[in-house]
Amino acid sequence: AQKVTQAQTEISVVEKEDVTLDCVYETRDTTYYLFWYKQPPSGELVFLIRRNSFDEQNEISGRYSWNFQKSTSSFNFTITASQVVDSAVYFCALSEAWGAQKLVFGQGTRLTINP
Amino acid sequence: ETGVTQSPTHLIKTRGQQVTLRCSSQSGHNTVSWYQQALGQGPQFIFQYYREEENGRGNFPPRFSGLQFPNYSSELNVNALELDDSALYLCASSPTDLTGVGNTEAFFGQGTRLTVV
Repeated sequence: AQKVTQAQTEISVVEKEDVTLDCVYETRDTTYYLFWYKQPPSGELVFLIRRNSFDEQNEISGRYSWNFQKSTSSFNFTITASQVVDSAVYFCALSEAWGAQKLVFGQGTRLTINP
Repeated sequence: ETGVTQSPTHLIKTRGQQVTLRCSSQSGHNTVSWYQQALGQGPQFIFQYYREEENGRGNFPPRFSGLQFPNYSSELNVNALELDDSALYLCASSPTDLTGVGNTEAFFGQGTRLTVV
């Protein structure tokens, strides 16, 4: 069975601090996809990144970066120089490679950036 | 804006009633998935529709049912509502190729907040 664990329930930092959100996953599949979504108070899940299990390169997009380590089954997300607008709930998710695109989500991490 | 619209945005129903939630998928997307998100939890997969056929189902009872129409819009129906059905219901659309393999990113709507009293 697939499982995603986000051990940090809530994180609160001061603006401009760097913050890392942890994600650990479990799957028996050799091919799978990992995702990060942001959920602002409006409720809509905003797609941030998708990573194929064969692609372990780290990725940077502006202030966001992702560290995928297959050896430790982790897919961590770092926000550099955080801003108040980054405040949201962040979800890590996992899906199988074939068939229904069923996303298995973690419990989410509520990130609060204080001015 | 993802182009995925859900209606209604909020709904209050009484235990035992039936409810229909609607989702209009993004243009060109032939796959629609439904998720239930209880307060403080991550979304849970209910089921997915691909070209009007159910294409995978999560651990939800049969009183949760769905439809997908030729224009790829979708409905989620819940019969015999229970208090625990109170949640945010999210619809996600995505394109799937002819082989049935997808896994591009899913685009989510803003959800329908259902309260069962």
